[in-house]
Amino acid sequence: DGGITQSPKYLFRKEGQNVTLSCEQNLNHDAMYWYRQDPGQGLRLIYYSQIVNDFQKGDIAEGYSVSREKKESFPLTVTSAQKNPTAFYLCASSIDRGLRYGYTFGSGTRLTVV
Amino acid sequence: DQQVKQNSPSLSVQEGRISILNCDYTNSMFDYFLWYKKYPAEGPTFLISISSIKDKNEDGRFTVFLNKSAKHLSLHIVPSQPGDSAVYFCAASEGSSNTGKLIFGQGTTLQVKP
Repeated sequence: DGGITQSPKYLFRKEGQNVTLSCEQNLNHDAMYWYRQDPGQGLRLIYYSQIVNDFQKGDIAEGYSVSREKKESFPLTVTSAQKNPTAFYLCASSIDRGLRYGYTFGSGTRLTVV
Repeated sequence: DQQVKQNSPSLSVQEGRISILNCDYTNSMFDYFLWYKKYPAEGPTFLISISSIKDKNEDGRFTVFLNKSAKHLSLHIVPSQPGDSAVYFCAASEGSSNTGKLIFGQGTTLQVKP
């Protein structure tokens, strides 16, 4: 079955640590996205990539980094510079840049700072 | 600056009745609009979309209406079913920018009572 796999489902981070969230897709989609969901704020775009070895900052990229070395993979690193990292993180991909058919989302990773 | 707004955080309807979820936007450059449905601890799933050249799009029980002059769109669910209980997000895109970026509203929690 094709889809997007995010791992882990739950992640706990200590203050000052970097953590990496995994996102893998086998849909052969070119475009991939990372969003963050906070209560009452909807989904906000962190980074996106339309092609391998290229990515762009979204609206809230500070404190995050990404890589796109393979078409199937788009990992997100939450660095110690991110002041409020506790949130639900969603990875998505799209075949047509998300318009006619929408994004396909993963099931998310909940990150908690302890 | 919230470019896409869902002003009703929650909505409760009786099974079999119509559910109407509303969304307002401010950016006149948006030319594609989408609705997503999300269950707790899962990623959103694409429901239906509409291009700005249309004012209505229908798919089964789901119909999206677009009023460009009012910068308003709505999702109608008829008849509503208990399984429709979820958070609904509207999203908008500047298709001409060719980035695939979606701007999401804050979400509306729909509860359909049996």
